[in-house]
Amino acid sequence: EVQLVESGGGLVQPGGSLRLSCAASGFTFSSYDMSWVRQAPGTGLEWVSSIYGGGDNTFYADSVKGRFTISRDNSKNTLYLQINSLRAEDTAVYYCAKRGPDWFWDYWGQGTRVTVSS
Amino acid sequence: EIVMTQSPATLSVSPGERATLSCRASQSVSSNLAWYQQKPGQAPRLLIYGASTRATGIPASFSGSGSGTEFTLTISSLQSEDFAVYYCQQYNNWPLTFGGGTKVEI
Repeated sequence: EVQLVESGGGLVQPGGSLRLSCAASGFTFSSYDMSWVRQAPGTGLEWVSSIYGGGDNTFYADSVKGRFTISRDNSKNTLYLQINSLRAEDTAVYYCAKRGPDWFWDYWGQGTRVTVSS
Repeated sequence: EIVMTQSPATLSVSPGERATLSCRASQSVSSNLAWYQQKPGQAPRLLIYGASTRATGIPASFSGSGSGTEFTLTISSLQSEDFAVYYCQQYNNWPLTFGGGTKVEI
């Protein structure tokens, strides 16, 4: 059974940093591209970042480029999102998601909440 | 960036009725479109990909159609568990983008 479990969210002040983690199990992690998708309170879904299975290529939404860094440790079956220079508009639930046969997502974690506030 | 527009924002239907949800792309996405269902407090669940292919375990009451810029998700006979928010997502171009969602309510 595929499982994705996010952690690392919390309350952080504007300008602060966090590192989100996503522990994966139930599939060959290194063979699959992965992504982060976020959802601000009461709003829709926004793609944030994606990474190839080998970690050799990454993609970012313009809204986070230069502030967020996606990475993965295939030896630990874990996906990461380093988020720096946090802004109020980064407040959201962050989901980790496994890519399906193309760039859509067939499995999602339950999310980790990030709140940016002073 | 491809803008995805969903309509209506809210759809009020009765159990057993058919629901038809629309998704429009600002430019052609071919058939590279997925649909998700999201219930309160839960993660999204993949329903449809390739515009019309049901994901594993999704009942036949869900069907998708369309290509290019116009897409439809149809729920043939609404069950209580189908009341949720539905999102479309294009994966034809980067950045990957979602529609704003359609809430299906009783």
